[in-house]
Amino acid sequence: NAGVTQTPKFRVLKTGQSMTLLCAQDMNHEYMYWYRQDPGMGLRLIHYSVGEGTTAKGEVPDGYNVSRLKKQNFLLGLESAAPSQTSVYFCASSRHVGGETQYFGPGTRLLVL
Amino acid sequence: GDSVTQMEGPVTLSEEAFLTINCTYTATGYPSLFWYVQYPGEGLQLLLKATKADDKGSNKGFEATYRKETTSFHLEKGSVQVSDSAVYFCALRPNTGNQFYFGTGTSLTVIP
Repeated sequence: NAGVTQTPKFRVLKTGQSMTLLCAQDMNHEYMYWYRQDPGMGLRLIHYSVGEGTTAKGEVPDGYNVSRLKKQNFLLGLESAAPSQTSVYFCASSRHVGGETQYFGPGTRLLVL
Repeated sequence: GDSVTQMEGPVTLSEEAFLTINCTYTATGYPSLFWYVQYPGEGLQLLLKATKADDKGSNKGFEATYRKETTSFHLEKGSVQVSDSAVYFCALRPNTGNQFYFGTGTSLTVIP
């Protein structure tokens, strides 16, 4: 049972390049989330999904797109990277039951030059 | 809207000192409350949780009590160790809705 995994662990992009971050979970969780973590700002929700084929915007969705084609995977895309997207990105998943916690991946560190 | 406010850091303590990290929340109804810990270079891990008023969550010597009357969920530990050095996040999950709300995190450093 690997829990939540993220690919890649670290990436350097040039401004304007695109990339996709992959999150996978093997706990059969219904909900999945993408956060970014920046110094002094804690975790901010980018997008989330409450089930396969559904996505919703979080607090800071601009510049990102997501897809949840399979229940176990949640993809985060950057179509045209900007230096402001330099951050650490965390994926998380949880059951839909109230009171249940989130389980986090190890994070992806992204540097946009 | 729903939100969490936690004590700003950084906090530096000597080994075996008493730790308190304050957390207050704003939410309607009875949310679930959580403390997460993040060690350097890692993702967040659940430390403890409480799902209803007056519940006490505990784990690894840490405790927090869900206080509805003061809308608080303060984290405490009686004797910290160097290995407790990490960033601690308070969070809530409303009893309806899909999102979690996190505080900004409190960095703790314990010196020998």
